[in-house]
Amino acid sequence: GENVEQHPSTLSVQEGDSAVIKCTYSDSASNYFPWYKQELGKRPQLIIDIRSNVGEKKDQRIAVTLNKTAKHFSLHITETQPEDSAVYFCAASSTGGGNKLTFGTGTQLKVEL
Amino acid sequence: GAGVSQTPSNKVTEKGKYVELRCDPISGHTALYWYRQSLGQGPEFLIYFQGTGAADDSGLPNDRFFAVRPEGSVSTLKIQRTERGDSAVYLCASSLTAFTRDGSPLHFGNGTRLTVT
Repeated sequence: GENVEQHPSTLSVQEGDSAVIKCTYSDSASNYFPWYKQELGKRPQLIIDIRSNVGEKKDQRIAVTLNKTAKHFSLHITETQPEDSAVYFCAASSTGGGNKLTFGTGTQLKVEL
Repeated sequence: GAGVSQTPSNKVTEKGKYVELRCDPISGHTALYWYRQSLGQGPEFLIYFQGTGAADDSGLPNDRFFAVRPEGSVSTLKIQRTERGDSAVYLCASSLTAFTRDGSPLHFGNGTRLTVT
């Protein structure tokens, strides 16, 4: 089955700096890669996703890149703000697997004033 | 409804008891997923339904766990003879369908925090 590794496990940045979180996956059949943000005690919320037919996608301060050859994808947050502080999870799925997601272990992002 | 609804939000039970956790998906979503999230970990897949049938239950840890979705909407996750190791947040998610060509976003509920004492 799919295995997703995520790092770093914790990341502390100054407000206004950029943050980068990286994930690798093992199943070459995976073709959908979402990122979720989870605040303490709340539901995971989808913030951005990318499909295997594109290499990069951007939505305001958030961007995701995908390298299918190397089987890794990354989340980039620019101009970080205190409200970006949360746990971020990457995930991967394949249509052949019913789109069920395999998650990474999460990155605790702390944006300091 | 506006989002995925899960009840109860918290459940405390004694070891050995039976519990049921309910999930009401987003209206019109045919695919429904159950995940379990332990403290400090990512959600772990348990089972998913496409319509009324369980399409993949490979994540259920053992036969004490069972889930149903009799009318293709609301789903119930059932845990028999609960153990302390079952304590976790049980998350439900739904998506339009499980069979899109390029992936279909999953929308999560707030979860049920299960504590087995």
